[in-house]
Amino acid sequence: KAGVTQTPRYLIKTRGQQVTLSCSPISGHRSVSWYQQTPGQGLQFLFEYFSETQRNKGNFPGRFSGRQFSNSRSEMNVSTLELGDSALYLCASSSGGNTEAFFGQGTRLTVV
Amino acid sequence: LAKTTQPISMDSYEGQEVNITCSHNNIATNDYITWYQQFPSQGPRFIIQGYKTKVTNEVASLFIPADRKSSTLSLPRVSLSDTAVYYCLVFSGGYNKLIFGAGTRLAVHP
Repeated sequence: KAGVTQTPRYLIKTRGQQVTLSCSPISGHRSVSWYQQTPGQGLQFLFEYFSETQRNKGNFPGRFSGRQFSNSRSEMNVSTLELGDSALYLCASSSGGNTEAFFGQGTRLTVV
Repeated sequence: LAKTTQPISMDSYEGQEVNITCSHNNIATNDYITWYQQFPSQGPRFIIQGYKTKVTNEVASLFIPADRKSSTLSLPRVSLSDTAVYYCLVFSGGYNKLIFGAGTRLAVHP
């Protein structure tokens, strides 16, 4: 069974631009969560989508948004990029309940 | 959400057993305990989950005392490839929103 797939793996953007990251969950998983990882702040929860609806949201500004499609694939968008948005962005999928979440390899975003 | 406290770093040698203890004094009745492992530039990987007493799988054991205010991840006979960051988390209501702490950076030496 294929794992969680994130694309692209690496991305370089300029300040002020916007970026869209993609996450394909494990087949059958309906929950997709997004996380940001930086050396200074560690792993932080961004938001979670379930059946195309945002169910949980972390403490990030409105420049960070996301959506989920009917096939459970999810996208994350960051507008008006800032240097501090440089990070490893991870998504995780789970089937729900107390079964573990599976993480993708992440997208390394560098803002210059 | 329960806050967890674990050592920032640990060192060990190949072949030794490593025990990483996590403190979660404010754990709620319906909280579970889970541990994840992360290698550099990769997503975290699930190791083990438990609620109380002892859980064992093919890679680790998790010991949880009766009061559940702490837990210990035990890695038997570590190898160099076990060098990673280990996160202890407590959660309820599913894995859809995980709150990570700083984790424990384990270095295994030859």
